[in-house]
Amino acid sequence: QVQLQESGPGLVNPSQTLSLTCTISGGSISNGNYHWSWIRQPAGKGLEWIGRIYTSGSTNYNPSLKSRVTISVDTSKNQFSLRLSSVTAADTAVYYCARGLSMDVWGQGTTVTVSS
Amino acid sequence: QSVLTQPPSASGTPGQRVTIPCSGSSSNIGNNHAHWYQQLPGTAPKLLIYRTNQRPSGVPDRFSGSKSGASASLTISGVRSEDGADYYCAAWDDSLSGWVFGGGTKLTVL
Repeated sequence: QVQLQESGPGLVNPSQTLSLTCTISGGSISNGNYHWSWIRQPAGKGLEWIGRIYTSGSTNYNPSLKSRVTISVDTSKNQFSLRLSSVTAADTAVYYCARGLSMDVWGQGTTVTVSS
Repeated sequence: QSVLTQPPSASGTPGQRVTIPCSGSSSNIGNNHAHWYQQLPGTAPKLLIYRTNQRPSGVPDRFSGSKSGASASLTISGVRSEDGADYYCAAWDDSLSGWVFGGGTKLTVL
């Protein structure tokens, strides 16, 4: 049973870079032709797709965030990561990682607050 | 403003049939599969329907999905109290080269 777990700082200063990691357990990130996505959800609001990475390293990003987002994969650690630069209060949200073309497996989410 | 359009709320009494619509365009639902997610309060979204009308293992068969043109629908046949949750539709958008979500529909079981 594949499980995903997000980790990273819960508080980030404005204008700094938000960095999160998603660790896969119960399976290898390299097994199967999966995409690995990041999604976020501000409190009380809907879901917003941030971007995804394929195990080959190819990426797709939300056009509205593309200039600030980098998603990378580390197969040796069975992880993939999100970096979001120049953050503002508008980036405060619960951040989720998810697997696959249907996003069939999700992490439990991690709350990130942007505040000084 | 979400790319996919859902009503903000829906309701039904136990045993009723409830349908939640999701309206898109030719670049997303019109040309790609729709997917549906259920989010219970304080939890991560859970895949409910994939590839428009497929149920993952463990999802009750009272949940079904369909599509017509650029619109998709989630139907709950015989809604139960535990189905009270937020429901989101999603699809790949060819123009944006990214996933798009609906704004979510809050289902209240009266």
